[in-house]
Amino acid sequence: DSGVTQTPKHLITATGQRVTLRCSPRSGDLSVYWYQQSLDQGLQFLIHYYNGEERAKGNILERFSAQQFPDLHSELNLSSLELGDSALYFCASSVEREVSGNTIYFGEGSWLTVV
Amino acid sequence: GQSLEQPSEVTAVEGAIVQINCTYQTSGFYGLSWYQQHDGGAPTFLSYNALDGLEETGRFSSFLSRSDSYGYLLLQELQMKDSASYFCAVRADHTGGFKTIFGAGTRLFVKA
Repeated sequence: DSGVTQTPKHLITATGQRVTLRCSPRSGDLSVYWYQQSLDQGLQFLIHYYNGEERAKGNILERFSAQQFPDLHSELNLSSLELGDSALYFCASSVEREVSGNTIYFGEGSWLTVV
Repeated sequence: GQSLEQPSEVTAVEGAIVQINCTYQTSGFYGLSWYQQHDGGAPTFLSYNALDGLEETGRFSSFLSRSDSYGYLLLQELQMKDSASYFCAVRADHTGGFKTIFGAGTRLFVKA
């Protein structure tokens, strides 16, 4: 157990709909990252938040948005869903944003299926 | 932008040694990490190299050459449970923050 909690674990929804994925980082971790992993694909970096502020953005679609709240939990909002958005969405957290060390702890992921 | 290359698949026998290579192109490089992911599971951290050289952790070692933009993960005394996907990941500077970009992963098959 990494200490990173993601909900829901599984979600099936229809095209055009909107969903919200939730993540609670490990206790004490200020950084939250979101990654998308499609079938047999690598981990695509979406976005990184540190202590409530967006720090880096990757290949995140405009239909997707994220935020990190004062209690450090984060939400990833996916709207106007398309079949191609079906994937495993990982949240990860780490304690620091500095250069030294880079251990990122992953949650178990949220399986999203768009039908 | 950033790019990483690693082999898509490697097969080895139990007890053997296997090396998974990773080459990267990025600006603002800080370090190279390795993660293991079993099917259906979450990636788990294995190692991180910020400086040139070899880091050893039990049966796993990781190497980095910053001048060659190259690293590798070395797995010794392979066990069946080592069958998994292995991702190299580059931590790089990004305006105002850092990004950790993952390679496409290498599927390791360990045979008896």
